[in-house]
Amino acid sequence: SQTIHQWPATLVQPVGSPLSLECTVEGTSNPNLYWYRQAAGRGLQLLFYSVGIGQISSEVPQNLSASRPQDRQFILSSKKLLLSDSGFYLCAWSRGYTEAFFGQGTRLTVV
Amino acid sequence: AQSVAQPEDQVKVAEGNPLTVKCTYSVSGNPYLFWYVQYPNRGLQFLLKYITGDNLVKGSYGFEAEFNKSQTSFHLKKPSALVSDSALYFCAVRALAAGSYQLTFGKGTKLSVIP
Repeated sequence: SQTIHQWPATLVQPVGSPLSLECTVEGTSNPNLYWYRQAAGRGLQLLFYSVGIGQISSEVPQNLSASRPQDRQFILSSKKLLLSDSGFYLCAWSRGYTEAFFGQGTRLTVV
Repeated sequence: AQSVAQPEDQVKVAEGNPLTVKCTYSVSGNPYLFWYVQYPNRGLQFLLKYITGDNLVKGSYGFEAEFNKSQTSFHLKKPSALVSDSALYFCAVRALAAGSYQLTFGKGTKLSVIP
């Protein structure tokens, strides 16, 4: 069966510090991968998606970037965090156009 | 552009009563439709989907949803609510088109089941 791992679960970072969140998927190959941000316990905003190694599509301009160095690894990064980057970050994967499966999320607080 | 509307921020229902969480969508062409549930500080769990076929789809934990093409709706239903159903529910849509990888979510509806 397929599983998705996302870490860390919680993170407190100072403004201006870098960020690296990692997500890995097991049990499937060539998944579509996604990073979402959820603010204030509601609405999910798609940040990035990837259909293959090195292929990243950005949905919104922001202080963040994503990379996919391996088939089942997706990384969300920032060089300098802003207060507005605080939120709940969710990684997800899907096979083709069907449903997406989510990781447990990372609660990021920028102080 | 595709979009999802969940018109109710919150739905309250008594335990044992039927529940409905509403969702309408807008998408070019035929839609893939999904419902997810989220418990506090957790990721989203997939409940059910509509791809094609029977307009009434059944999913996990006794939930079902009815696809209505003319009304562009995909309401989530359950015949008898449980207190443990209290959570945040999200409707999502994806266009049935090549290259359409974006899964668009509604803002969520908080369901509270009162004992």
